[in-house]
Amino acid sequence: DAKTTQPPSMDCAEGRAANLPCNHSTISGNEYVYWYRQIHSQGPQYIIHGLKNNETNEMASLIITEDRKSSTLILPHATLRDTAVYYCIVRPLNSGGYQKVTFGTGTKLQVIP
Amino acid sequence: GAVVSQHPSRVICKSGTSVKIECRSLDFQATTMFWYRQFPKKSLMLMATSNEGSKATYEQGVEKDKFLINHASLTLSTLTVTSAHPEDSSFYICSATRTGDSGNTIYFGEGSWLTVV
Repeated sequence: DAKTTQPPSMDCAEGRAANLPCNHSTISGNEYVYWYRQIHSQGPQYIIHGLKNNETNEMASLIITEDRKSSTLILPHATLRDTAVYYCIVRPLNSGGYQKVTFGTGTKLQVIP
Repeated sequence: GAVVSQHPSRVICKSGTSVKIECRSLDFQATTMFWYRQFPKKSLMLMATSNEGSKATYEQGVEKDKFLINHASLTLSTLTVTSAHPEDSSFYICSATRTGDSGNTIYFGEGSWLTVV
């Protein structure tokens, strides 16, 4: 998997949008960008993934730059329950079940009341 | 709802005993599952790749005789910590991949807290 770089921590006011950046400058053409989050003492939770187009689901939006070297996860209206560590991962398309995933240190998002 | 389930969520065992943690994919088959461990305030560390019907593949530095992995069916992998010691106390997490049309999404279990006393 390509290496990703994320800021170690961020704060966001409750109700505001949280924008979490991720650099993946060595991403290959066949690699997706995935985002997960881990709330304290729980397993990581899948949020969203994309290849090159922007994606949106009920949890978040994913904006991928045109050169695909970076992306931003957007939580449109952060709540206290969004306080977690957010991980950005890149992995190949159609890698099947055998492609292992390694985690970086992620970004600890603290939502402030 | 959860698509990958772990059991138990918390377990306390005595030093020197063995403890088994189960990982199940609930509504899909997974030929490969992964086991991670996580220390407080640290990121997840991949321990091994569990392969259905064959031997697990361990990451460098992980003792295969201490962390026994059995992937006996397409929906179940087990991790057995043998002769547990207090330093084995950790948060253990498994994952499995569900194949989909837009890529293969990895889902994680809820994690299992192991405390060795």
